[in-house]
Amino acid sequence: GAVVSQHPSRVICKSGTSVKIECRSLDFQATTMFWYRQFPKQSLMLMATSNEGSKATYEQGVEKDKFLINHASLTLSTLTVTSAHPEDSSFYICSARAPTALLLGNYGYTFGSGTRLTVV
Amino acid sequence: QQPVQSPQAVILREGEDAVINCSSSKALYSVHWYRQKHGEAPVFLMILLKGGEQKGHEKISASFNEKKQQSSLYLTASQLSYSGTYFCGTLRGSGNTPLVFGKGTRLSVIA
Repeated sequence: GAVVSQHPSRVICKSGTSVKIECRSLDFQATTMFWYRQFPKQSLMLMATSNEGSKATYEQGVEKDKFLINHASLTLSTLTVTSAHPEDSSFYICSARAPTALLLGNYGYTFGSGTRLTVV
Repeated sequence: QQPVQSPQAVILREGEDAVINCSSSKALYSVHWYRQKHGEAPVFLMILLKGGEQKGHEKISASFNEKKQQSSLYLTASQLSYSGTYFCGTLRGSGNTPLVFGKGTRLSVIA
């Protein structure tokens, strides 16, 4: 249980275009999802917290107008990279925690499979 | 605040043991351990919730010293499949808050 599906797995786009990344919780409702970015050989850095039905909370230094997050339903959160530039090339990954995990306290956060974004 | 991991990298021969440490400057609610293979998403290994708790999965185990605000991951009789980057994650607060990860420890197991 507690599967998060992320699409696309890889995307190449031209500078100036926008790219949308989707994360779906398949077997549970995720009121909250977390978006991370990982540059090569670095750690996963939290970008924002996505809340169903309300505005996302962005980490310091993350441009909210550039990285648009929408959490319109309990099973879907999207991250749109707008006006992408080569420096936005990175591995983007979402994460969520099933409600049962909060109750049982013995289940970790589930991650999507990640999206490798390359901006050319 | 990001937890601190050590060492940054370690190379082992098959069958050798390794210890990866994770510490925090603030109180820890729990410690989560993940392993990430190159180009893949992190895979959950285990979570430690209570001070003094120890857990194990096959030949990988971990301990959590709440007072010292640190956790250690033990890999015994390492296998080639253990290669990857290990991350510890700590919660920013209680409840459904995000994980904040250390910089990772790159483990390479060679034949």
